[in-house]
Amino acid sequence: EVVLTQSPGTLSLSPGERATLYCRASQTISSSYLGWYQQKPGQAPRLLIYRASNRAAGTPDRFSGSGSGTDFTLTISRLEAEDFAVYYCQQYGNSLSFGGGTKVGI
Amino acid sequence: EVQLVESGGGLVQPGGSLRLSCEVSGFTFRNYWMGWVRQAPGKGLEWVATIKYDGSGKYYVDSVEGRFTISRDNAKNSLYLQMNSLRGEDTAVYYCARGRSDFLRWDVFDFWGQGTMVTVSS
Repeated sequence: EVVLTQSPGTLSLSPGERATLYCRASQTISSSYLGWYQQKPGQAPRLLIYRASNRAAGTPDRFSGSGSGTDFTLTISRLEAEDFAVYYCQQYGNSLSFGGGTKVGI
Repeated sequence: EVQLVESGGGLVQPGGSLRLSCEVSGFTFRNYWMGWVRQAPGKGLEWVATIKYDGSGKYYVDSVEGRFTISRDNAKNSLYLQMNSLRGEDTAVYYCARGRSDFLRWDVFDFWGQGTMVTVSS
């Protein structure tokens, strides 16, 4: 089983600031099969990024993903009010598993 | 417009059974792998099960193997999750979701339903 560890658990930032979220895997994720989701309270998750760095349809370009192997990053270049949410990474190189989430709050 | 609508959640006693349904529209259902993902109250996401586009392959997280069964009816554009021998730790919102590509067994999920709550309690 691939265990994903997200850090930090909580990120306190202000609108306009840059957010950097981390996702570390317990083993190498093949083909960079890693995705990122955003979830707001009471809503279903929304896919942002797939295969580490590819934006899903409708994802604003202020969101970018990078990384390979075991270490991956989601960057939000300039936070907007609508970006305050919980973010999850998910690997799909070896079955499926999710990280524990990072809450981005004010 | 792609839509996924879950139903069938509710309150059930430990050891009981429940069948969740997910009716989809807006895409060619028979071409896509589908899955169920759950989220316990205040917790993170947990993948539960995945089914191949034609129903011939089914995969489960260890904690539900032998208790839950994923199935689909491509003629009815519907996905199901039969849950037996339910436990308190199965309490969660259950989401159905579509695999992004039409050829990967393991994939990200690009469309999600709104979720249905399952509560296992006496």
